[in-house]
Formats: sequence, structure tokens, C-alpha cells
Amino acid sequence: DGGITQSPKYLFRKEGQNVTLSCEQNLNHDAMYWYRQDPGQGLRLIYYSQIVNDFQKGDIAEGYSVSREKKESFPLTVTSAQKNPTAFYLCASSQDSGTAYNEQFFGPGTRLTVL
Amino acid sequence: QKEVEQNSGPLSVPEGAIASLNCTYSDRVSQSFFWYRQYSGKSPELIMSIYSNGDKEDGRFTAQLNKASQYVSLLIRDSQPSDSATYLCAVIYNNDMRFGAGTRLTVKP
Repeated sequence: DGGITQSPKYLFRKEGQNVTLSCEQNLNHDAMYWYRQDPGQGLRLIYYSQIVNDFQKGDIAEGYSVSREKKESFPLTVTSAQKNPTAFYLCASSQDSGTAYNEQFFGPGTRLTVL
Repeated sequence: QKEVEQNSGPLSVPEGAIASLNCTYSDRVSQSFFWYRQYSGKSPELIMSIYSNGDKEDGRFTAQLNKASQYVSLLIRDSQPSDSATYLCAVIYNNDMRFGAGTRLTVKP
């Protein structure tokens, strides 16, 4: 059963804490992405990775970090430097980000709340 | 100027009617266009992609693209209450996907 999984579904963070969101895919996709969604706004790109051991900053990378040690996995760490982290975080993947015909498929999301 | 613009709605249509969702984009060189459906509290689900001018039909859904006018639309025929969701338009610029803020559609029984 192919797809993208994210965990946890809900996450609560205390002030000053780093937290890591998991994203795994078994679609054999090369590219993976992290987006943030706030109420009434479109998705904003945080980081993306086209190949293992390489990743690029998106529009709102400050306060976040990622790694891509395996093709299947692209975890996102929300650091204490991110001042307003409460949001819905979405991981996506696509076959190949190097073309214009780049359908992205999303995981179920993680809802992060700062206490 | 926003790269991808959508009317936030809400758009309300009666069951069985045609729902028309619109999207404009600012970059003339964009080549790929997508419509995602997002139910409340859930992640976006890809429902249509379109790459060339004209219409593309898939079941009750029709995507329409007019590159000269920088306009892409989604028509939903025979709208059902289960179609009630937010519809996100997405456009690829230089291999980056840009999303509109979405249009909330409500289909009333």
C-alpha cells in the first residue's frame, strides 16, 4: 500500500523546545517537500529535497531544519528559533522535481501547537 | 502582487448545480496547473492537472486553461454535498509549486 505517512498527527510544543516531525514515503519518489499552512492562507514552502543528502531552503526556512539521509525519509525539525510555529505541517513528494510536470502528493499532515 | 489568486469564497451552490472555481496567476511562463481538494482538517488531495490550453475532463470535473489570459478554472458538474471543501489552485513556476489560498465551496442539499 503505497503512500506518504506523517507522525505524529498532533504535537504540542513548549516554549524553547525543539520538535521533530516525521515524513516517510514508499512511492520511490525522488523529491520531497515540507509546507506550512496557516488558516486562510495557501501552503508556504519551508524546505525541499530533490535527492538524498541534498536539500534547499524554501520561502520560510528560518527556524526550521531538515535532513535527507534516506530517499524514503525527510524529517523536519522545528527549532526554538521559530517564533510562531503553531500551524498545520504538510509533507509532500513527487516523482521528479526537475520537470515542469510535477504532481505532488501529500501526507496526512501534523498539527503543531505551542503551549 | 500574489502569484496565484483565488476568490476565498465561500461559494455556495445547490446540490446538482455546476460549481465554478476560478484562479489567476501572474507568471506567463508557467506550464503546469493543478487543482487540489482539501476537506476541513485534512491534507490536500490532487484531483486535476492540466498542461495545455483548453478543457480536460475527468468524471464530474472539468479543468479549463487559458494561458493567454493567465486563467485556470475548475467546473464541478452535478455538485454533491460531499464536494463541500476548500479547493486549492497550484501553479508551477521554475519547478516550484505555488499555491493559492483556496476557495471554500459549500454544496447545499
